[in-house]
Amino acid sequence: GDSVTQMEGPVTLSEEAFLTINCTYTATGYPSLFWYVQYPGEGLQLLLKATKADDKGSNKGFEATYRKETTSFHLEKGSVQVSDSAVYFCALSPTGGGNKLTFGTGTQLKVEL
Amino acid sequence: NAGVTQTPKFQVLKTGQSMTLQCAQDMNHNSMYWYRQDPGMGLRLIYYSASEGTTDKGEVPNGYNVSRLNKREFSLRLESAAPSQTSVYFCASSELAVNTGELFFGEGSRLTVL
Repeated sequence: GDSVTQMEGPVTLSEEAFLTINCTYTATGYPSLFWYVQYPGEGLQLLLKATKADDKGSNKGFEATYRKETTSFHLEKGSVQVSDSAVYFCALSPTGGGNKLTFGTGTQLKVEL
Repeated sequence: NAGVTQTPKFQVLKTGQSMTLQCAQDMNHNSMYWYRQDPGMGLRLIYYSASEGTTDKGEVPNGYNVSRLNKREFSLRLESAAPSQTSVYFCASSELAVNTGELFFGEGSRLTVL
């Protein structure tokens, strides 16, 4: 079945450092890919998405590129802030759509001054 | 903006007790979902309702029942709670299928079963 694998956390960075959170997936065909973010004490929020190969999703300085050849959707940000501290979830929706998202296990990011 | 509202936010149960988690959305969304979040396991889908009047099992439906009461409300019931059901439960909704739209989540309900 479909699956999503994320790098384990927690990831601890200093403010203004470069961020990469790795995400790879296993799925047939061409799934849609997402990054969701969960701030402390809140529900998840959609951060960005990409629906076809080579698409780049971007939002709030974060970006991720849908790489079909490496089945990856790594999240990057050039300069993190303390306010980016949260848990980040990679997720996929299967080819053909539907209503079931498969989530990764989440990666906790801590940004320190 | 209320969005997705879940009640209660916290609950402690004894093994064998029953309870219902309530969820309501005010965005006129067609689809609603219940997920559970456990450490090291991410979010797993329990049940979903693609539209009013329909419900379907997700990845981990055992021990749960759901009711789509109307377009706004989707409840999750534990008939006989077990310690393995200790978790954080999230309700979510979407206007369209998730590959095209976006899931909107509630703030979560933390359930402890002793």
